[in-house]
Amino acid sequence: DTGVSQDPRHKITKRGQNVTFRCDPISEHNRLYWYRQTLGQGPEFLTYFQNEAQLEKSRLLSDRFSAERPKGSFSTLEIQRTEQGDSAMYLCASSPEGGGLAGQETQYFGPGTRLLVL
Amino acid sequence: RKEVEQDPGPFNVPEGATVAFNCTYSNSASQSFFWYRQDCRKEPKLLMSVYSSGNEDGRFTAQLNRASQYISLLIRDSKLSDSATYLCVVNPGPSGGSYIPTFGRGTSLIVHP
Repeated sequence: DTGVSQDPRHKITKRGQNVTFRCDPISEHNRLYWYRQTLGQGPEFLTYFQNEAQLEKSRLLSDRFSAERPKGSFSTLEIQRTEQGDSAMYLCASSPEGGGLAGQETQYFGPGTRLLVL
Repeated sequence: RKEVEQDPGPFNVPEGATVAFNCTYSNSASQSFFWYRQDCRKEPKLLMSVYSSGNEDGRFTAQLNRASQYISLLIRDSKLSDSATYLCVVNPGPSGGSYIPTFGRGTSLIVHP
């Protein structure tokens, strides 16, 4: 399967613990996005990378959230000191650089990581 | 006003019906528009891009109305398999400062026999 993959698919943690999610984009895609989706809502943009550069991070929900893409391939999203309100689906998407502005090309989503904070 | 607004529905229609959804956006400088489909507990998948001149793909037609700042999706001859949530996506233009794809909350469609 050459699509976007995410790991783990499910994560249950206790409040106050740190969690880290991984996303492997489609190999030739240099743009990578993280979103959060809660029940009944559309995906909410968190951050995006072009290669290893994090070009937009103002929408990260708090300073407990951070993301990296150190070699321009896979990315990680970390949530420190988790809270019950962090429970959601975390989606990763990738897209090729088609010469247009970021976000103007088709995004391919991974299956998501479903987080439950107890 | 939210940046992107959709009627959450659900739209409950019989097989064979024609159904239309709208999605309004607040940023007049928005440059690109998409419809994604999301099945229950699955990831979103691109249904179609929305071009200024409108575009059609089989039973699906997308339109953009810049003057009134909305996009629409028309589904003809609905199938049971069309049951899903339809998400519109709007990308702001340079005046927005950052190129942040903004999703609507989605419109739920249920096609029944």
